[in-house]
Amino acid sequence: AQSVSQHNHHVILSEAASLELGCNYSYGGTVNLFWYVQYPGQHLQLLLKYFSGDPLVKGIKGFEAEFIKSKFSFNLRKPSVQWSDTAEYFCAVILTGGGNKLTFGTGTQLKVEL
Amino acid sequence: KAGVTQTPRYLIKTRGQQVTLSCSPISGHRSVSWYQQTPGQGLQFLFEYFSETQRNKGNFPGRFSGRQFSNSRSEMNVSTLELGDSALYLCASGDRGLNTEAFFGQGTRLTVV
Repeated sequence: AQSVSQHNHHVILSEAASLELGCNYSYGGTVNLFWYVQYPGQHLQLLLKYFSGDPLVKGIKGFEAEFIKSKFSFNLRKPSVQWSDTAEYFCAVILTGGGNKLTFGTGTQLKVEL
Repeated sequence: KAGVTQTPRYLIKTRGQQVTLSCSPISGHRSVSWYQQTPGQGLQFLFEYFSETQRNKGNFPGRFSGRQFSNSRSEMNVSTLELGDSALYLCASGDRGLNTEAFFGQGTRLTVV
């Protein structure tokens, strides 16, 4: 069964610091990859997605992620975080052709301090 | 365009009761998926419906069931509620069939006492 691992459960950063959240998945087939964000009291929103093509994908609010197939990784990055980035971040995987069944990682709680 | 609407937002039920949650997807979307979110287990896939047919199913007991209507609205039912069913239940809708971006609703917070 496919699974998704997020290595950092809680991250605390100061404003303007750089962010990198790790995500690894275990599945040998073709997958589509996503990062979702859940701001306090709000619904899950898509940050970015990778289906194919350029492995460096850019999303909303200055976030980007790099798909490294050989490492089964899809790490999320942002050069300079803001207080408003405080949220929970989820990496997710869909098996290509397997319907819309997202497998989520356990999430990373990010707190950005002023 | 209206987003994914889930009703009710909050529910309190007693052990042994049953509950029905509703989800109205974004207009034009034919895929509706359901997820359970708990602090301990995170986000877990329950099932997906597409054009009124269950296309995928997660590893939940048979007490959890769902259906989709011809207008793509979906309902999820949990029978014989247990304390462990307390969770945030999220619905997601998607268009164009397979492997599309999922748009999530605000969820229904179910508390079983």
